[in-house]
Amino acid sequence: DTGVSQDPRHKITKRGQNVTFRCDPISEHNRLYWYRQTLGQGPEFLTYFQNEAQLEKSRLLSDRFSAERPKGSFSTLEIQRTEQGDSAMYLCASSLVQGAGLYNEQFFGPGTRLTVL
Amino acid sequence: DQQVKQNSPSLSVQEGRISILNCDYTNSMFDYFLWYKKYPAEGPTFLISISSIKDKNEDGRFTVFLNKSAKHLSLHIVPSQPGDSAVYFCAARMYNNNDMRFGAGTRLTVKP
Repeated sequence: DTGVSQDPRHKITKRGQNVTFRCDPISEHNRLYWYRQTLGQGPEFLTYFQNEAQLEKSRLLSDRFSAERPKGSFSTLEIQRTEQGDSAMYLCASSLVQGAGLYNEQFFGPGTRLTVL
Repeated sequence: DQQVKQNSPSLSVQEGRISILNCDYTNSMFDYFLWYKKYPAEGPTFLISISSIKDKNEDGRFTVFLNKSAKHLSLHIVPSQPGDSAVYFCAARMYNNNDMRFGAGTRLTVKP
């Protein structure tokens, strides 16, 4: 399977704990995106990487959130001191951007569902 | 701020008939629009897109129409099949901008 994979698929944690999610993009894709989706809403953009560089962050990404893509391949999203409001589906997507990179299709992973008790 | 709106949370259609899913946007800077389909326990899957220089794009049973003056787009599925039952998200973005904005989704149910 050469699609986007995410691990874990489900995570239950207690408020105040730290959690880390992993995303493995499609191997040749140079862009990687993180989204958050809450119940009854569409995905909301959090951040994206071009190779290993984090180029854009949404204002939704508070200072408790940090994302990395150290070698330009897989990425991790860490949430520190989790709050109940962090409960959501966290989606990762990747795309291949060449040249001017005007429009590029994003391929989504299955997501990690986080529940903060 | 909800810049992309899908005002119908659900739609039910008989197999073989047309499904029409609607989407409205408020930001006139958006110039590329996409539809994604999502099955339970899976991530959204790209379905079809349209750029603002066009008013129609067709791919098999799926056609997207864009009305820029009304800031409205719609997805037509003809004929609808039970396998089309899923949540459909409308998304919009600006030129060379990765901040893609999604609507809240419409759950389509196609009855056999």
